[in-house]
Amino acid sequence: AQTVTQSQPEMSVQEAETVTLSCTYDTSESDYYLFWYKQPPSRQMILVIRQEAYKQQNATENRFSVNFQKAAKSFSLKISDSQLGDAAMYFCAYKGDDKIIFGKGTRLHILP
Amino acid sequence: DAGITQSPRHKVTETGTPVTLRCHQTENHRYMYWYRQDPGHGLRLIHYSYGVKDTDKGEVSDGYSVSRSKTEDFLLTLESATSSQTSVYFCAISDGVRWTDTQYFGPGTRLTVL
Repeated sequence: AQTVTQSQPEMSVQEAETVTLSCTYDTSESDYYLFWYKQPPSRQMILVIRQEAYKQQNATENRFSVNFQKAAKSFSLKISDSQLGDAAMYFCAYKGDDKIIFGKGTRLHILP
Repeated sequence: DAGITQSPRHKVTETGTPVTLRCHQTENHRYMYWYRQDPGHGLRLIHYSYGVKDTDKGEVSDGYSVSRSKTEDFLLTLESATSSQTSVYFCAISDGVRWTDTQYFGPGTRLTVL
């Protein structure tokens, strides 16, 4: 069965610094999609970035980028130049052939 | 922002009463989903729909039923609410025609069952 693990329940980073959130997953499928979602205090789930497993190139969206290592089943999120507005819960998600699995989340604190 | 609304946004009810949550979209997307979010569990899929009258179970479907009679509306029903169904419920839609397309989420409904 597919699983998604976020091993860091909480993290803190100084404003303007870079932080990396880790996510590992387990699957026997070869074709799947991976996502990072952000959930600020408003509770709205916001898509941050998406990666197709068949693409070797790491996805990037402005200050957000991923390090996708398919063989290691790792999908970490890097946030550069951290801003106060980045403070939120971050969820990693796996979407396979017939399953959607979310990790339990990492709470990110931004220190001014 | 994807046009997704959920109603009600907050509800308090008593054990044993029926409850229906509504998800409404203005995007004409094929896929719609219901999740629940609980501390320590992330989001878990309850049911999803891949078209009008086409629905399937997710990871935690026991005690829930769904209906989709129109493309834009996806209803989640708790036939007889229990305290274990106290949670925050999210609706989501997919922006394409494939199961694996990106999901966009509604604002959530906080349900408390006393």
